[in-house]
Amino acid sequence: GENVEQHPSTLSVQEGDSAVIKCTYSDSASNYFPWYKQELGKGPQLIIDIRSNVGEKKDQRIAVTLNKTAKHFSLHITETQPEDSAVYFCADTLGYALNFGKGTSLLVTP
Amino acid sequence: KAGVTQTPRYLIKTRGQQVTLSCSPISGHRSVSWYQQTPGQGLQFLFEYFSETQRNKGNFPGRFSGRQFSNSRSEMNVSTLELGDSALYLCASTGLSDTGELFFGEGSRLTVL
Repeated sequence: GENVEQHPSTLSVQEGDSAVIKCTYSDSASNYFPWYKQELGKGPQLIIDIRSNVGEKKDQRIAVTLNKTAKHFSLHITETQPEDSAVYFCADTLGYALNFGKGTSLLVTP
Repeated sequence: KAGVTQTPRYLIKTRGQQVTLSCSPISGHRSVSWYQQTPGQGLQFLFEYFSETQRNKGNFPGRFSGRQFSNSRSEMNVSTLELGDSALYLCASTGLSDTGELFFGEGSRLTVL
């Protein structure tokens, strides 16, 4: 991948609300799009991913959607909880590596 | 199963010095990659090793180098340190199942004074 644009850079929601983070990629050859969550003082951890042959994937409160035509993919978190507060990174593939967006700092307030 | 272990966790160096960081991947994982994380640039790919061979390299100057040993442990070295090298250096390993998931360590926090 080349550049991955991620928005917003910060997001504050109330507990129970939904949160949406959006990413745009530029390399049409990209075929794998993971999302990582990084808590304070820890390394990033994969929370969900999607491949280019699928339009949507869901895992409990987390879902990812992919629009290959528009080169957009989004992370949706429903019924947010305070423990969802963290920095979230989207990424696309760069050979044997990942090309990360700049991150979204999500704050869920009780 | 133990996770990815990085040492040291914190270190302080002065400009012009060099530093070596170590990474022990998850047992059985043969691919190790390194990323630099800074507030301004986010997570940037440094290099990736598989079976002691560098397969991919990011856009960093030659002062950044790495290697992988036969037991899959990896080291990265930064020579002639600059203030801008202050960052969290993250190592990640991947298994043969090739799901694409990177398992990250907690990182080595380097401060250059």
